Amino acid sequence: AQSVTQPDARVTVSEGASLQLRCKYSSSVTPYLFWYVQYPRQGLQLLLKYYSGDPVVQGVNGFEAEFSKSNSSFHLRKASVHWSDSAVYFCAVSLTGGLSGKLTFGEGTQVTVIS
Amino acid sequence: NSKVIQTPRYLVKGQGQKAKMRCIPEKGHPVVFWYQQNKNNEFKFLINFQNQEVLQQIDMTEKRFSAECPSNSPCSLEIQSSEAGDSALYLCASSLGGGAETLYFGSGTRLTVL
Repeated sequence: AQSVTQPDARVTVSEGASLQLRCKYSSSVTPYLFWYVQYPRQGLQLLLKYYSGDPVVQGVNGFEAEFSKSNSSFHLRKASVHWSDSAVYFCAVSLTGGLSGKLTFGEGTQVTVIS
Repeated sequence: NSKVIQTPRYLVKGQGQKAKMRCIPEKGHPVVFWYQQNKNNEFKFLINFQNQEVLQQIDMTEKRFSAECPSNSPCSLEIQSSEAGDSALYLCASSLGGGAETLYFGSGTRLTVL
């Protein structure tokens, strides 16, 4: 069975500063990897996903993530955050193959951007 | 932006009452998922469908929870007899399936059981 760990429950960052959110996964095979964001009182919005190829993937709103097979990690980054990036960020994995496409989520990281 | 539509946004029920929520998946997406997100941001997969057929469901879903995705109608999730522990955000998601595996989520239905 796969699992996902986001070690940082809360992160506070100043507007304009860089952001990195950590994600580590455990899986017997390389899964599909996702980052989703949840704004207050909203559902989940996809930021980016990875399965193969270039380990650095670009997403929406200036986000990117880097996959590391050796570290079983998929960290999310943004070079310069804006106040509107305040939200909860979830890392998720899905095993390849099959029809289910079921996601396993991490615990989430609450990001607060301060001015 | 996701085009998965969930109604209602908020649902308040007493214990023992039925609670029903609906989901219209993104057009062309044959696979629909229901997740429960609790106040601690823990996600629980409930059930998924491909077209009208159930692919997987958890044991909890088989007892008080029922779900369907009829042809040409919104999908629905119904709790037959609500309990306080059912208070959560219920998220519907859809995908193309078949290996694409990207889930697109709706805004959710916030259920409060008094």
